[in-house]
Amino acid sequence: DVKVTQSSRYLVKRTGEKVFLECVQDMDHENMFWYRQDPGLGLRLIYFSYDVKMKEKGDIPEGYSVSREKKERFSLILESASTNQTSMYLCASSPTFEAFFGQGTRLTVV
Amino acid sequence: AQSVTQLDSQVPVFEEAPVELRCNYSSSVSVYLFWYVQYPNQGLQLLLKYLSGSTLVKGINGFEAEFNKSQTSFHLRKPSVHISDTAEYFCAVSDRSGNTGKLIFGQGTTLQVKP
Repeated sequence: DVKVTQSSRYLVKRTGEKVFLECVQDMDHENMFWYRQDPGLGLRLIYFSYDVKMKEKGDIPEGYSVSREKKERFSLILESASTNQTSMYLCASSPTFEAFFGQGTRLTVV
Repeated sequence: AQSVTQLDSQVPVFEEAPVELRCNYSSSVSVYLFWYVQYPNQGLQLLLKYLSGSTLVKGINGFEAEFNKSQTSFHLRKPSVHISDTAEYFCAVSDRSGNTGKLIFGQGTTLQVKP
């Protein structure tokens, strides 16, 4: 089975903090994704990466950056957390057309 | 550009009744179609997918969906629901030519199964 692991299930951070969300996949997939989930809005793509050190902006990249130094690991960075970034964050990986998701990180910014 | 519309935000239904969750999409290119399920405080799990071939697709947990190209729809059905089917369901599309797994999601439909 494909395993996508997000480092934290729940996080509480203060406004202005730098926040790192980590994601690791164990299936050697080329593609990895970060989505944000909000009620009534579904999932929206923040960033995706199609290879090591390669990244592409999604639909809502403002306020976020990403890092992919190794194939199995994809990090989402909130440079200066704000309350409007309180949300559920989901990481996914994909070999081609089918995506596999992690358990999600529920981030609260206070 | 692609978009996905799930026509119902909430669907209440009694246990053992049939259910249909509706999904329409808009795209200028050929797409793959997916339904995912999310149980409370969990990630997304793939229910079923349409890639090509038969337009009636069977998935896990007794769910099925039918791809209708002329109506650009991909509705999800189950003939008899259980309490354990209570969850949020997401319809999604991806561009066939991109082949990356990048998905465009609908807004989600909450299925509430009542005893």
